[in-house]
Amino acid sequence: DADVTQTPRNRITKTGKRIMLECSQTKGHDRMYWYRQDPGLGLRLIYYSFDVKDINKGEISDGYSVSRQAQAKFSLSLESAIPNQTALYFCATSDPQGDGNTIYFGEGSWLTVV
Amino acid sequence: KNEVEQSPQNLTAQEGEFITINCSYSVGISALHWLQQHPGGGIVSLFMLSSGKKKHGRLIATINIQEKHSSLHITASHPRDSAVYICAVINFGNEKLTFGTGTRLTIIP
Repeated sequence: DADVTQTPRNRITKTGKRIMLECSQTKGHDRMYWYRQDPGLGLRLIYYSFDVKDINKGEISDGYSVSRQAQAKFSLSLESAIPNQTALYFCATSDPQGDGNTIYFGEGSWLTVV
Repeated sequence: KNEVEQSPQNLTAQEGEFITINCSYSVGISALHWLQQHPGGGIVSLFMLSSGKKKHGRLIATINIQEKHSSLHITASHPRDSAVYICAVINFGNEKLTFGTGTRLTIIP
């Protein structure tokens, strides 16, 4: 099984619809992240969480919300999707203390908003 | 100017060639990652380094903290090395990652 699992892997949704991307990890890491990747741009941080009670906005959090349901689960929601949220989304985990700060990525979720 | 710059943006080479991808950054960092992204989209970590040099198989990563520069080398390149290689730095202080835009490498048989 993958260390970091994202669902769905692909989704097409309509403008205005709510959509949730889910992420679960088996690494036992406290830190989890959601990134967005667009062509020609580096990955950009949407939200991050350093433990279950800690949620922080990243550089592009507008239009997104997150929920850290458990240490292993971190979901990203688009409350009212818009076309410029069409992108490849990645969940990631890391553990500076126990795992040398290695970062583990999910396989990505392709989201298209039409 | 981006905080993390990679060069070249695109690189095409013949199988067997020695490959170098460069990363320069303008912020203070605690460490730097080299990542590989295959056409399917998944990203894997190749190296994390904060000084000196690391080697794994045909891949070698170096970093010069004083010059704020890192390089990723691939020896005896192979078509399966074709991917996008991404440099990412861990910002000193807030520990956030800042990513370069990637180098698309294509190795021709």
